Amino acid sequence: DGGITQSPKYLFRKEGQNVTLSCEQNLNHDAMYWYRQDPGQGLRLIYYSQIVNDFQKGDIAEGYSVSREKKESFPLTVTSAQKNPTAFYLCASSTGGLGYEQYFGPGTRLTVT
Amino acid sequence: GENVEQHPSTLSVQEGDSAVIKCTYSDSASNYFPWYKQELGKGPQLIIDIRSNVGEKKDQRIAVTLNKTAKHFSLHITETQPEDSAVYFCAASIGGGGADGLTFGKGTHLIIQP
Repeated sequence: DGGITQSPKYLFRKEGQNVTLSCEQNLNHDAMYWYRQDPGQGLRLIYYSQIVNDFQKGDIAEGYSVSREKKESFPLTVTSAQKNPTAFYLCASSTGGLGYEQYFGPGTRLTVT
Repeated sequence: GENVEQHPSTLSVQEGDSAVIKCTYSDSASNYFPWYKQELGKGPQLIIDIRSNVGEKKDQRIAVTLNKTAKHFSLHITETQPEDSAVYFCAASIGGGGADGLTFGKGTHLIIQP
C-alpha cells in the first residue's frame, strides 16, 4: 500500500516548545516538500528537498527546520521561534527532476497554546 | 517570485450545471499548472494538470485550459455532482519540473446545491 503518511493527525503543544512532525513516503520519490495551510489561504511552501542530505528554504522557512537523512523521511521541526505555529501542515513528494506531479499526505493539525 | 490569483473564492452551482474556476499567474517562466481538490480535514488530491506546451486537457467531466499569452488557466467541471463539493486549488510551478515547489492560489470553495 504505497503513499505518504503523516503523524500524528492532531498535535497539541505549549508555547515555547519545539515539536517535530513526521512525514514518510514509500513511493521511492526523490523530492519531498512541507507546506503550511491557514484557514482561507492557499498552501505556502516551508522547505523542500530534491535529494537526500540536501534541502532548500521555501517562502516561509523562518522558525522551521528540516532534515533529510533518508530518502523516505522528511521530518519538520516547528521551533519556538515560529511566531504563529498553529496551522495545518502538509507534506508532499514527487519524483523530482522532470516528475512534476506532487502527491500530498493527509496532514497534521498543530495547535499551540 | 511567482504569484497566483484564483477566483472566485466561493462558487455555488446547481447539481448538473457546470462550474468554472479561474486562475492567473505572474511569471511567464511557469510551465506546470496542476489543480487539486481538498476535502475537509484531508490533504489535497491532484485531479488534473497541464503543461505549458498544451492548451487544453480533458479527463471525463473535468477539463483545464491554459492561455500562456494572457497567463491564465481555468478548471471546468461539467455535470456537477454532490461529491464535487470541496475546496479546489490551482497552482503554478516555476523552474524545472516542480522540484522546487508549487505556488498555490487561495482556493475556491465549490458548493453543489441539490
